[in-house]
Amino acid sequence: EADIYQTPRYLVIGTGKKITLECSQTMGHDKMYWYQQDPGMELHLIHYSYGVNSTEKGDLSSESTVSRIRTEHFPLTLESARPSHTSQYLCASMGGNTIYFGEGSWLTVV
Amino acid sequence: KNEVEQSPQNLTAQEGEFITINCSYSVGISALHWLQQHPGGGIVSLFMLSSGKKKHGRLIATINIQEKHSSLHITASHPRDSAVYICAVRREPGNTGKLIFGQGTTLQVKP
Repeated sequence: EADIYQTPRYLVIGTGKKITLECSQTMGHDKMYWYQQDPGMELHLIHYSYGVNSTEKGDLSSESTVSRIRTEHFPLTLESARPSHTSQYLCASMGGNTIYFGEGSWLTVV
Repeated sequence: KNEVEQSPQNLTAQEGEFITINCSYSVGISALHWLQQHPGGGIVSLFMLSSGKKKHGRLIATINIQEKHSSLHITASHPRDSAVYICAVRREPGNTGKLIFGQGTTLQVKP
């Protein structure tokens, strides 16, 4: 059973609002990732971190930002949400050779 | 052309059938992952391969590094196997853990 948690699972917000998607893991993993996935499409890496105070942008350009102040916590923030940000956001961590995913956060911006 | 290609994109099978999903990639890799995604979004790691073959229950995964190809087999398929199966590769060099994903294969197993 993976110990990686995302909140909220589902969120509907208005354009221009600031939102933070939370991701926490209790496995002590240094490597953590945020992926974006539109329905029926492949996952795209938008941010990753190799440890505390280490964050990098992924292959897919994103207007979101991340922080890694604690090993277990890797939140993603959108300062001003737009309808184009409507998507599923998946957090993951890697330990050894295994990758663990959270349940995902479905974001709808209206 | 995507760096990771899966086939078929969609697959419908009858319960009990033997199923094969293929994954081809065009980059050098250090490892390949097979993942399972159920409706609602949750993703579970099935296998991580760097060579050879692995088996877990009714699932078998193989990889041919020279041919840059991997297959996922499901024996005696069951409706609960219905899901999206995703191939992802960890690109060389290094151990960044960054993955490149295929587009997924949607499997429906009918009773």
